[in-house]
Amino acid sequence: ETGVTQSPTHLIKTRGQQVTLRCSSQSGHNTVSWYQQALGQGPQFIFQYYREEENGRGNFPPRFSGLQFPNYSSELNVNALELDDSALYLCASSPGTRFYEQYFGPGTRLTVT
Amino acid sequence: DAKTTQPNSMESNEEEPVHLPCNHSTISGTDYIHWYRQLPSQGPEYVIHGLTSNVNNRMASLAIAEDRKSSTLILHRATLRDAAVYYCILRDEHTSGTYKYIFGTGTRLKVLA
Repeated sequence: ETGVTQSPTHLIKTRGQQVTLRCSSQSGHNTVSWYQQALGQGPQFIFQYYREEENGRGNFPPRFSGLQFPNYSSELNVNALELDDSALYLCASSPGTRFYEQYFGPGTRLTVT
Repeated sequence: DAKTTQPNSMESNEEEPVHLPCNHSTISGTDYIHWYRQLPSQGPEYVIHGLTSNVNNRMASLAIAEDRKSSTLILHRATLRDAAVYYCILRDEHTSGTYKYIFGTGTRLKVLA
């Protein structure tokens, strides 16, 4: 059984650009959550998608948007990148919306210069 | 917003028990307390969760205070592989019915051989 995978592993972007990060959920999982983890900090919840609908969101501006596809994979889009967006972006999938069933991927390291 | 408070770091000798505390005085009556840990260069992984009663699993035990405003994660015999950042996590529910997950700053556990 394949776990949660994320692509790309690393990414460097320039301030003002747009970026798309991708997440493939574990087989049988219909829920995907995204988190931002700045260096030395705990993960910050961005949003959660359950069966293609957003059903939870943290304190992130609208330039952070997402999408979940019919196969339950997901994308995180960030527009108008800022230097503070530099972080590890973690994706977690689960078979439902219960938090304790979340399995995390290894993350995408985004650097904004 | 809900909030969790944890010590920044703790040390333990190998094969000894470790008690990792978390303060969550803002917890609501129906919220579970979750613990995840993050090993170096990996995404977080599930450790344990509970509501009111103490909980045990193969990885750890969770002791929850009677007023639920604090909890303690107990590793009965720490090994070098338990060196990680341990996060205590709550769910913060909005009046709209949506919610977000709140990670604390985490406790970095160092295990000494």
